[in-house]
Amino acid sequence: EAGVAQSPRYKIIEKRQSVAFWCNPISGHATLYWYQQILGQGPKLLIQFQNNGVVDDSQLPKDRFSAERLKGVDSTLKIQPAKLEDSAVYLCASSSLAGAHYEQYFGPGTRLTVT
Amino acid sequence: EDQVTQSPEALRLQEGESSSLNCSYTVSGLRGLFWYRQDPGKGPEFLFTLYSAGEEKEKERLKATLTKKESFLHITAPKPEDSATYLCAVRLIKAAGNKLTFGGGTRVLVKP
Repeated sequence: EAGVAQSPRYKIIEKRQSVAFWCNPISGHATLYWYQQILGQGPKLLIQFQNNGVVDDSQLPKDRFSAERLKGVDSTLKIQPAKLEDSAVYLCASSSLAGAHYEQYFGPGTRLTVT
Repeated sequence: EDQVTQSPEALRLQEGESSSLNCSYTVSGLRGLFWYRQDPGKGPEFLFTLYSAGEEKEKERLKATLTKKESFLHITAPKPEDSATYLCAVRLIKAAGNKLTFGGGTRVLVKP
């Protein structure tokens, strides 16, 4: 079974520029998550999708971050404009069913450096 | 406020030297506690889920246990390939969907 795919793996941008990350979850997984992991810390949930709908985006900085999941499969996370403190690894994860005891499977992440 | 704290932050072990990692939590309404392993440059890899106090789970040299306030990850006779960051996370009854709240992790280095 193919895992969670993410691209790009690395991205370097200047502050105030925009950037987008792409995620393809495990086939059949209805739930998709975006996490931010700052160096030396644990992942922090930014947004959770159940199919096309948003379940939780309480920790998403909505003034600069946006995310969408079209057709309930792939997802894109965008930052516009980027700040220095956005430098982090952005992890995408998926699980087969929210509300049940199913583990989340993570992709390799995208390492973002904002200069 | 719900908190998940892992200790120690870093652990250096000799090959074969058993040790334990701690994950303490102060949350209201635990639905499950998860352990993940994260290698450099990779996403977290699922290890265990624990649901109730007294529960234990094992996988190779790893054993996870759960009490009402903390969880331990025991590493028995570790090998260099056990070197990684170990993350614990909690899923709360009140949390929307399947949200996980992670601790800061314990970086483990096993020297041959």
